[in-house]
Amino acid sequence: AQSVTQLGSHVSVSEGALVLLRCNYSSSVPPYLFWYVQYPNQGLQLLLKYTTGATLVKGINGFEAEFKKSETSFHLTKPSAHMSDAAEYFCAVRVENTGTASKLTFGTGTRLQVTL
Amino acid sequence: EAQVTQNPRYLITVTGKKLTVTCSQNMNHEYMSWYRQDPGLGLRQIYYSMNVEVTDKGDVPEGYKVSRKEKRNFPLILESPSPNQTSLYFCASSLMGGTGELFFGEGSRLTVL
Repeated sequence: AQSVTQLGSHVSVSEGALVLLRCNYSSSVPPYLFWYVQYPNQGLQLLLKYTTGATLVKGINGFEAEFKKSETSFHLTKPSAHMSDAAEYFCAVRVENTGTASKLTFGTGTRLQVTL
Repeated sequence: EAQVTQNPRYLITVTGKKLTVTCSQNMNHEYMSWYRQDPGLGLRQIYYSMNVEVTDKGDVPEGYKVSRKEKRNFPLILESPSPNQTSLYFCASSLMGGTGELFFGEGSRLTVL
């Protein structure tokens, strides 16, 4: 079965600093990987996804992530943090299972705080 | 506007009083799912449905029921709520196949006293 580990339940950065949120996955077959963002009192929305092809994927709001198969990682980065990036971020993995519905397995989330 | 709509958004109830959280999507998605979100545990899947009249258990189905009589609706039923079901609940939908991007509702915060 697939699983996702997000290192660091809370990350704090200064405005303008690099954002790095870590995600490692385990999967016996090539996965689809996702990052979702949850703003306060809202549902989750998709930031970016990796399915096949180019391993560096760009998402909304200046975020990007790189799929590294050798490291089983899919870390999320943004060169310069903005106050509006403060939110909770979830990494998720999806693996197609024959005979059962494919589903997303979520990490436990990382809350990003951005300070002045 | 494409959306997943949940109701109610907030609910306080007492142990044992049956309640239903409704979920409706207007994107003609086959796949629908319910998750609960608890601090430190992320999102855990309760039930999912691949199409009308097809439902199956997720990772934490105990104490919940669902039905899928119409494609757009997927209500979550708590027959006899207990305090350990106090949580934030999300409904989500997606197309079957493809990359499976999930579209989420805004959440329903349930408190069981």
